[in-house]
Amino acid sequence: GAGVSQTPSNKVTEKGKYVELRCDPISGHTALYWYRQSLGQGPEFLIYFQGTGAADDSGLPNDRFFAVRPEGSVSTLKIQRTERGDSAVYLCASSLTRYNEQFFGPGTRLTVL
Amino acid sequence: AQSVTQLDSHVSVSEGTPVLLRCNYSSSYSPSLFWYVQHPNKGLQLLLKYTSAATLVKGINGFEAEFKKSETSFHLTKPSAHMSDAAEYFCVVRADYGGSQGNLIFGKGTKLSVKP
Repeated sequence: GAGVSQTPSNKVTEKGKYVELRCDPISGHTALYWYRQSLGQGPEFLIYFQGTGAADDSGLPNDRFFAVRPEGSVSTLKIQRTERGDSAVYLCASSLTRYNEQFFGPGTRLTVL
Repeated sequence: AQSVTQLDSHVSVSEGTPVLLRCNYSSSYSPSLFWYVQHPNKGLQLLLKYTSAATLVKGINGFEAEFKKSETSFHLTKPSAHMSDAAEYFCVVRADYGGSQGNLIFGKGTKLSVKP
């Protein structure tokens, strides 16, 4: 079956611009996660959704980052006033429930010039 | 706080020789531990998981890991490396208590190279 998909696969933007990254989870998965993977590092947790609500957003680095999941399926990660330090691979994962195996998408590579 | 430390950033082996990727964990409770593999331009894939059942865990593609509480280790092994094993490997602990319960905490990764 279809796995987790993320679009775009690559995004290049200029400092100060706004970007949106999209995640399509596996159908029926109620839990959705966003992670950020900087060069040479392991993924770091950003935010977790249970259904439509953000149950844990403790990993978001600052208020320029925001994510939504309005219908409990597709999620969008939004970054305002991008900075060069935001350059990273943004990973999305979904799971049936919070404690089931997380399935990861291929990621979106964001480059801020 | 829970954490994992991967002791080697890069491991290089010859095809057909054993693989050992080392991981130590820190946790006040009995942890849930995982190994994930990341091939270039592909998503992270779960190799195996430990959740307080058998201490020797078998995973996909011939990999296994042993949970050793006395050493706080969860090393990943494979008897014979294959070229297709070349990838980045992440040791992961799941936060099982506190406000971040359920979140995955990743190590920095070990890049495995396999020489012909």
